[in-house]
Amino acid sequence: QVQLVESGGGLVKPGGSLRLSCAASEFTFSDFYMSWMRQAPGKGLEWVSYISRNGRTTHYVDSVKGRFTISRDNAKNSLFLQMSSLRAEDTAVYYCARLRGEGYNYGQADFWGQGTLVTVSS
Amino acid sequence: DIQMTQSPSSLSASVGDRVTITCQASQDVINYLNWYQQKPGKAPNLLIYGASDLETGVPSRFSGNGSGTDFTFTISSLQPEDIATYYCQQYNYVPITFGQGTRLEIK
Repeated sequence: QVQLVESGGGLVKPGGSLRLSCAASEFTFSDFYMSWMRQAPGKGLEWVSYISRNGRTTHYVDSVKGRFTISRDNAKNSLFLQMSSLRAEDTAVYYCARLRGEGYNYGQADFWGQGTLVTVSS
Repeated sequence: DIQMTQSPSSLSASVGDRVTITCQASQDVINYLNWYQQKPGKAPNLLIYGASDLETGVPSRFSGNGSGTDFTFTISSLQPEDIATYYCQQYNYVPITFGQGTRLEIK
């Protein structure tokens, strides 16, 4: 069964940095686009970023552009999200998700991790 | 950004009822529209992709329809385990965007 396990969340002060990781198993990681989504406490879902199979194409929601960087290591079946200049509004559960799609449209998140909580507070 | 507007925001229905949720996109998303179910404390689960295709393993009481800007999600006969929040999501444009969610409760 496909498994995605996030780690790296925690409490960080405003302006600080954090690196999230997602360990993937039981599927050919390099065959899939991957994504980070987040959910603020009591709020809805928000897409944050996605990365292509070879890592050369990335996209971000405007609110994190220039502060977050998505990357992947296909040899280690791992996805990352480097977060810097963190703000209170970045407080959320962060999920990694596997994406399916075709052509220019990758957005079917068919497997999700359990999530890791990031809290930005002084 | 594409705005996804779900209606209603919350819904109370009885076991066995037919339940319908609508999702309207601010621009044409063709059929690049998914529906997810999220139970409290859990990650979302993909139910419908491509507006109307049922994800493998998902019960056939769930269905989706629509194209362009107007979409519907239907549960043909509500079961107690369907209590959850449901989200639509478009992926025709970046940024990928979600509806605000519909909280479904049992009456």
